[in-house]
Amino acid sequence: NAGVTQTPKFQVLKTGQSMTLQCAQDMNHEYMSWYRQDPGMGLRLIHYSVGAGITDQGEVPNGYNVSRSTTEDFPLRLLSAAPSQTSVYFCASSDGDRRTEAFFGQGTRLTVV
Amino acid sequence: QQPVQSPQAVILREGEDAVINCSSSKALYSVHWYRQKHGEAPVFLMILLKGGEQKGHEKISASFNEKKQQSSLYLTASQLSYSGTYFCGAQGADSWGKLQFGAGTQVVVTP
Repeated sequence: NAGVTQTPKFQVLKTGQSMTLQCAQDMNHEYMSWYRQDPGMGLRLIHYSVGAGITDQGEVPNGYNVSRSTTEDFPLRLLSAAPSQTSVYFCASSDGDRRTEAFFGQGTRLTVV
Repeated sequence: QQPVQSPQAVILREGEDAVINCSSSKALYSVHWYRQKHGEAPVFLMILLKGGEQKGHEKISASFNEKKQQSSLYLTASQLSYSGTYFCGAQGADSWGKLQFGAGTQVVVTP
């Protein structure tokens, strides 16, 4: 069972470059979310989606775009990378029942130089 | 708004107990607890729902005070494997799909 798959696992970007972090889940989950994790800050919600075609902003959405064209995929786009976006990014999914847990991908470690 | 966790860190000897607290300023539908080992993804421990339902790890216990929007995770007779960072996640009563986490509590269990 693949669960939640994130690619790439590691990435180094130059300031100003753009890139897309990929997230795919094979559990037919309705809910998907992106978090960033920085030392001492915990997991901060960037964007989330409650189904295909529906997305909303979390706590720290600036500098990131998302779209959800299919149930399986929820890519996160960095439009113009900045050093402040150096972080570990986690994608998570859960089914449409609010009584169930979230499943996390293994994370993408991004460094912007 | 992120839920607030306390303490930030705790050091235990094997066999000792600890409590981690989580509070929110908004009405909650559920509280989630996860543990993360260094370099790994967070792993689900427990979910506590409005109305008293609970689901999760057999050896971990937790409580949820709906009136105060507070939850506590109880680490009893701690084992070395309990070391890690614990996160509480809060799902608002009026929000669907939006799960926000606290800053985490680092737990170190020593022999």
